[in-house]
Amino acid sequence: AQSVTQPDIHITVSEGASLELRCNYSYGATPYLFWYVQSPGQGLQLLLKYFSGDTLVQGIKGFEAEFKRSQSSFNLRKPSVHWSDAAEYFCAVGPMEYGNKLVFGAGTILRVKS
Amino acid sequence: DTEVTQTPKHLVMGMTNKKSLKCEQHMGHRAMYWYKQKAKKPPELMFVYSYEKLSINESVPSRFSPECPNSSLLNLHLHALQPEDSALYLCASSQGGRVNTEAFFGQGTRLTVV
Repeated sequence: AQSVTQPDIHITVSEGASLELRCNYSYGATPYLFWYVQSPGQGLQLLLKYFSGDTLVQGIKGFEAEFKRSQSSFNLRKPSVHWSDAAEYFCAVGPMEYGNKLVFGAGTILRVKS
Repeated sequence: DTEVTQTPKHLVMGMTNKKSLKCEQHMGHRAMYWYKQKAKKPPELMFVYSYEKLSINESVPSRFSPECPNSSLLNLHLHALQPEDSALYLCASSQGGRVNTEAFFGQGTRLTVV
């Protein structure tokens, strides 16, 4: 069965510092991987996705993620964090073809200190 | 237009009430989803409609009844809910069919059952 692990429940970084959020997945076939961000009480916004090809993918708001098949990882990075990046981040896996389902990790809450 | 619109944004209902949540998208997507998200938890899939037919039902209690009247609309009918059903209900859509694409989420309906 597919699963996603986000080992860090909370992360606190200083504004301007770099960020890396970890994601490990378990999936029997070619994984389709996503990072979503959620502000309190809001819906989920897609940051970036990986389907195939280049293992370093660029997303919105200056985020990027690297797919490493050998480590079953899809970590999210940002070189310089802004206070507005404080939110909860979810990694997800699953094919969406034929209206299939996403499996989410538990989420990582990012706090940014000034 | 990459928007999924959910109404209402907030809903308070008694345990004997009947209410409905509504979701609409105009992206031409053929797969639509209902997720339930409890506080400090990731979204959990409830239902998937693919081409207006229910394709995934994650063993949700019968007090939740989905309806997909056409490819742009998705409703969730609520009846005799329990306080533990209080949560953020998220609607999403994706292209459906053989195309593997991301899911777009609405802003959610915050449901409180009293």
